[in-house]
Amino acid sequence: QKEVEQDPGPLSVPEGAIVSLNCTYSNSAFQYFMWYRQYSRKGPELLMYTYSSGNKEDGRFTAQVDKSSKYISLFIRDSQPSDSATYLCAMIRGDSSYKLIFGSGTRLLVRP
Amino acid sequence: EPEVTQTPSHQVTQMGQEVILRCVPISNHLYFYWYRQILGQKVEFLVSFYNNEISEKSEIFDDQFSVERPDGSNFTLKIRSTKLEDSAMYFCASRRIEQGVEGYTFGSGTRLTVV
Repeated sequence: QKEVEQDPGPLSVPEGAIVSLNCTYSNSAFQYFMWYRQYSRKGPELLMYTYSSGNKEDGRFTAQVDKSSKYISLFIRDSQPSDSATYLCAMIRGDSSYKLIFGSGTRLLVRP
Repeated sequence: EPEVTQTPSHQVTQMGQEVILRCVPISNHLYFYWYRQILGQKVEFLVSFYNNEISEKSEIFDDQFSVERPDGSNFTLKIRSTKLEDSAMYFCASRRIEQGVEGYTFGSGTRLTVV
């Protein structure tokens, strides 16, 4: 079983839609849960992170972590064409090196 | 906003040649990383570096790879004898230890093509 699983998509939605992106994981030792956005041939850009369980909101973005189900989500409200990118979930065990374990990424296309 | 800078943006090299990928981390960051992303695949951890030594490395990071912080500002990844399967995007990242994950910043990457 892969440590972090993510549906690669692509996911195509009309402008203004609510987008739901999800990841599941198998390692209960993960403590930090991150969402990165990556444009083509660019480095990952951190959108949000959550420590342990719970919700976090930042503008149009909401991150949720359910540790009991080993399931994390990113919601994008009022999606815009500029949100079109690949969204990567990533996790950290919280050990000394803080290495990131990434999902495979979900390609999102927001149609005008 | 502070950036992690990587050079070159694209490097083409012949199989068997040595390459050095360069990174300038954010100046007050203390932890440095290299990640790799083969086209169409996930971003994979290669190595972390702290206090002038490797703190963790993945199984990908074999004897062909080495890292160095030669002058207090640059952080380099050397691949001694490149193979076709080393073709990938290589990302440098840095982190300021006190900030936890908030300061975890990636560069734009170096696209390495081995021919």
